[in-house]
Amino acid sequence: DAGVTQSPTHLIKTRGQQVTLRCSPKSGHDTVSWYQQALGQGPQFIFQYYEEEERQRGNFPDRFSGHQFPNYSSELNVNALLLGDSALYLCASSLEVGRVVQFFGPGTRLTVL
Amino acid sequence: AQTVTQSQPEMSVQEAETVTLSCTYDTSESDYYLFWYKQPPSRQMILVIRQEAYKQQNATENRFSVNFQKAAKSFSLKISDSQLGDAAMYFCAYRRYGGSNYKLTFGKGTLLTVNP
Repeated sequence: DAGVTQSPTHLIKTRGQQVTLRCSPKSGHDTVSWYQQALGQGPQFIFQYYEEEERQRGNFPDRFSGHQFPNYSSELNVNALLLGDSALYLCASSLEVGRVVQFFGPGTRLTVL
Repeated sequence: AQTVTQSQPEMSVQEAETVTLSCTYDTSESDYYLFWYKQPPSRQMILVIRQEAYKQQNATENRFSVNFQKAAKSFSLKISDSQLGDAAMYFCAYRRYGGSNYKLTFGKGTLLTVNP
């Protein structure tokens, strides 16, 4: 049973560029959440997708956007990258029914130069 | 807004000993979930244990147990018979019960070192 997978593992971008991160949820899961984890901090909630719609959003600017596909996989897009966007981006999946526990992927380390 | 506080940035324990990690939280809700997640150097966040606020009994998972004090809004994690593989960053997290608010709110974490 495959767990949550994310790609790429590492990414280096320069300020002003755009980036797309990808996530495949755990088999059978239909809900995907994205978190940003800055160095030395706990993860911060970005947004959550269910049935291809953004259901809830944390305190992040509109430069952060996402998408969920019919197969439940998801993308996180960040436009006009800033140095402060450098972080570990975590994807978590869960089930809408019995949705208590979120299972996390290994994350994508984004470095903005 | 809910907040989670972990007041111990770092802790260390000798192998086979017991260690307790502290967590306090602030919420006006009466029903909610609390979690402890472990993040080893591999970065993958792994669920250690969870507690439903409506349950008075403290959760236990093998060597891991919690001391849930609802009135004090305290949720500590006890690791018994510590092993080298327990070394990791530990995060306490809160999740509101029901409704459409499904996000996890995390503390800043406690780095646990296990000494041989």
